Amino acid sequence: EVQLVESGGGLVQPGGSLRLSCAASGFIFSRYDMHWVRQVTGKGLEWVSAIGAAGDTYYPGSVKGRFTISRENAKNSLYLQMNSLRAEDTAVYYCARGVVTGTGVKNWFDPWGQGTLVTVSS
Amino acid sequence: DIVMTQSPDSLAVSLGERATINCKSSQSVLNSSNKKNYLAWYQQKPGQPPKLLIYWSSTRESGVPDRFSGSGSGTDFTLTISSLQAEDVAVYYCQQYYSTPLTFGGGTKVQIK
Repeated sequence: EVQLVESGGGLVQPGGSLRLSCAASGFIFSRYDMHWVRQVTGKGLEWVSAIGAAGDTYYPGSVKGRFTISRENAKNSLYLQMNSLRAEDTAVYYCARGVVTGTGVKNWFDPWGQGTLVTVSS
Repeated sequence: DIVMTQSPDSLAVSLGERATINCKSSQSVLNSSNKKNYLAWYQQKPGQPPKLLIYWSSTRESGVPDRFSGSGSGTDFTLTISSLQAEDVAVYYCQQYYSTPLTFGGGTKVQIK
């Protein structure tokens, strides 16, 4: 069974840092693009970052320069280093597997983890 | 960035009736080379992560009931639930994967009338 389990969320002050982790199992992790998607409680979904199977990385403007996605294939793990956190970064962060489309990280997502809550507040 | 706009924001449908959700992209998500629309649909129930329903605008994910169908091309897409069941109460999102940043619609909440 394909499974993604996030960890590392919590309460952090504005300007602080946090590192999220995602443990993957049930598939050959190194072959897949991986993504982080966030959701403000009660609101919609926002794509946060992607890392290709080859290690290429992508970010939207809202987090570029502050967030860094990485992967450790030997540990079947995905990470998101979040720096200079702002109140508007408060959300549930989901790890999601990208489905291979032959067009790089331009994927749909399947499956998703259960998410980890990040709260940025003083 | 491609902006995805869903309508309506919410709808209430009687059990067994049809539910129709619309999704419009600010630019075409149709790849002229392979004739595929880079559009997916997800279902999210309370307290759960999103679940993939449909990709390539109309291909149903394995295990998804056939009452769910996707249609449309270019910039206008529709998710149809042909006969609403109680377990279909959820928020539905469209997503384009034609270009980065990958973007989602704002969601449509489906309830029972």
